[in-house]
Amino acid sequence: GQNIDQPTEMTATEGAIVQINCTYQTSGFNGLFWYQQHAGEAPTFLSYNVLDGLEEKGRFSSFLSRSKGYSYLLLKELQMKDSASYLCAPPLGGSYIPTFGRGTSLIVHP
Amino acid sequence: DTAVSQTPKYLVTQMGNDKSIKCEQNLGHDTMYWYKQDSKKFLKIMFSYNNKELIINETVPNRFSPKSPDKAHLNLHINSLELGDSAVYFCASSQANGVTDTQYFGPGTRLTVL
Repeated sequence: GQNIDQPTEMTATEGAIVQINCTYQTSGFNGLFWYQQHAGEAPTFLSYNVLDGLEEKGRFSSFLSRSKGYSYLLLKELQMKDSASYLCAPPLGGSYIPTFGRGTSLIVHP
Repeated sequence: DTAVSQTPKYLVTQMGNDKSIKCEQNLGHDTMYWYKQDSKKFLKIMFSYNNKELIINETVPNRFSPKSPDKAHLNLHINSLELGDSAVYFCASSQANGVTDTQYFGPGTRLTVL
């Protein structure tokens, strides 16, 4: 199994910055994915880290430390539309196929 | 120009029935998947097909049988439906390039078994 650990729920204020942490255990590691899922919709791809360090993409950044089995997703200048679940997804052992935990439900309020 | 489509979007049926969910992708991807998302929002892979061949079959009851007539289609047939089968089923596709395997998901099929 992947043993993915993320907070179940987080709340933040519009315009603020929030960091969603993820720890995991996996074998045959090949990077780590973050997906976003709005209520009632399909997951959509946000980022993929294959090397250690920070990857920035607009308001969203993702960090990976492979030796520590740790990643985080950083969301800046939060908007109401960022209210969604954020899924940390290390690949299925030895593959590049993301496997998902329950995700973190982020609620952004005015 | 929908990338990954599924039908039906909603499916309500009685216990014991047999039902199918269809999935099609027009992205030219080689690999397709079925995921199940339960009421606790846990998204779990069920099957993966690459070029019409089964490559992943996670612990899924054999009442579930995927069928891939060609690499653009992956259908899911479920026999003898049970209450616990109620969930949202997502189809996805990807094109592995040796570095990553980004998945593109369909809109989901919400199955309710009464």
